[in-house]
Amino acid sequence: ETGVTQSPTHLIKTRGQQVTLRCSSQSGHNTVSWYQQALGQGPQFIFQYYREEENGRGNFPPRFSGLQFPNYSSELNVNALELDDSALYLCASSLTGDYGYTFGSGTRLTVV
Amino acid sequence: AQTVTQSQPEMSVQEAETVTLSCTYDTSESNYYLFWYKQPPSRQMILVIRQEAYKQQNATENRFSVNFQKAAKSFSLKISDSQLGDTAMYFCAFMKYNNNDMRFGAGTRLTVKP
Repeated sequence: ETGVTQSPTHLIKTRGQQVTLRCSSQSGHNTVSWYQQALGQGPQFIFQYYREEENGRGNFPPRFSGLQFPNYSSELNVNALELDDSALYLCASSLTGDYGYTFGSGTRLTVV
Repeated sequence: AQTVTQSQPEMSVQEAETVTLSCTYDTSESNYYLFWYKQPPSRQMILVIRQEAYKQQNATENRFSVNFQKAAKSFSLKISDSQLGDTAMYFCAFMKYNNNDMRFGAGTRLTVKP
């Protein structure tokens, strides 16, 4: 079975720009969660999608938005980028979160 | 709100020895799950071990075991016979039953020395 894949692996954007990060979930998983991991910190929950609907959101502003597609892949969109948005963005998929999530290797976003 | 605290930012251990990583959490919930994840330099978070709060028996996975103390809200990870490949960041995580928000601690950087 394939794991969780994220693209791109690295990205550099300018403050004020918009960015889209992509995630393909593990085969058979219908739930995707997105996390932001700042340097030296633990991952922070952004939001989760279950069967194409948002299923919970962390303490992130509305300029962080997402989508989930019928094949359960997902996108994370961030508008009006700020310097503090520089981080590793992790995508995780699951069938039921009780057994833990399967994570991708992340997208390293740098905002300059 | 649930919080997870890992009080050891960095630890080191000699190869083949045993090391214990600490984790405490704060919750008013009675049903929840606890996890330890490993994040090597490749950045991918890998599930090491999982514990269900209603189970009193401590979880074990090969060289990895936990000491789950529910009353004390403590969830430590013991790594036996440490190997060089165990070098990584280790994150403790908490998730309420039937919830989607997995909360992570700040992590412990473990270095296994030859």
